[in-house]
Amino acid sequence: QVQLQESGPGLVKPSETLSLTCTVSGGSITPYSWNWVRQPPGKGLEWIGCIDYIGGTNYDPSLVSRVTISVDMSKNQFSLKLKSVTAADTAVYYCARSRSLDTWGRGTMVTVSS
Amino acid sequence: DVVMTQSPLSLPVTLGQPASISCRSSQSLVYSDGNTYLNWFQQRPGQSPRRLIYKVSNRDSGVPDRFSGSGSGTDFTLKISRVEAEDVGVYYCMQATHWPRTFGQGTKVEVK
Repeated sequence: QVQLQESGPGLVKPSETLSLTCTVSGGSITPYSWNWVRQPPGKGLEWIGCIDYIGGTNYDPSLVSRVTISVDMSKNQFSLKLKSVTAADTAVYYCARSRSLDTWGRGTMVTVSS
Repeated sequence: DVVMTQSPLSLPVTLGQPASISCRSSQSLVYSDGNTYLNWFQQRPGQSPRRLIYKVSNRDSGVPDRFSGSGSGTDFTLKISRVEAEDVGVYYCMQATHWPRTFGQGTKVEVK
């Protein structure tokens, strides 16, 4: 059964770059698409973007100028970079598989603070 | 962007009674391949979201049959035939037909 695990720093300073990785175990990166979703404290789910296994990406328009999602098939991982972060980027960040988000990671809390 | 509007946002329920959540989209969710990519997720307190229903009415493996999804076009419903204590949480609809993917605001289901 496929499992997803997010990893990365839990604290990022304002104006710096948030970097997270999602490791896929028990299954292959191909032929799926892979998503990042976030949830600010006490709020709802926000789709950030996704990447397919050949590297095609789509991003939320509100974040497109700051976000990059990449995939490393050799490591069965995909990654999120969000630059120029502010307190508004504080959230639990989830990775999820496929167009319909059939499998989710447990999430990782990222706080933006100096 | 496609706006997903859920109602109600809060749903107090009596255990053993039915519950229903509405989700309306600002555009049709029928994709060019004929499928309608409308999904429902459950998020229990302190947990990550879990997909319950995909493509309007298909229940995921392990999801109790008291959960059902229906609808078409822009109007969709999630029904719980008899609410159990483990159903407490927030339910989200999400469309995966159009870019960007968008979620509803969430409906909090709680026991009266």
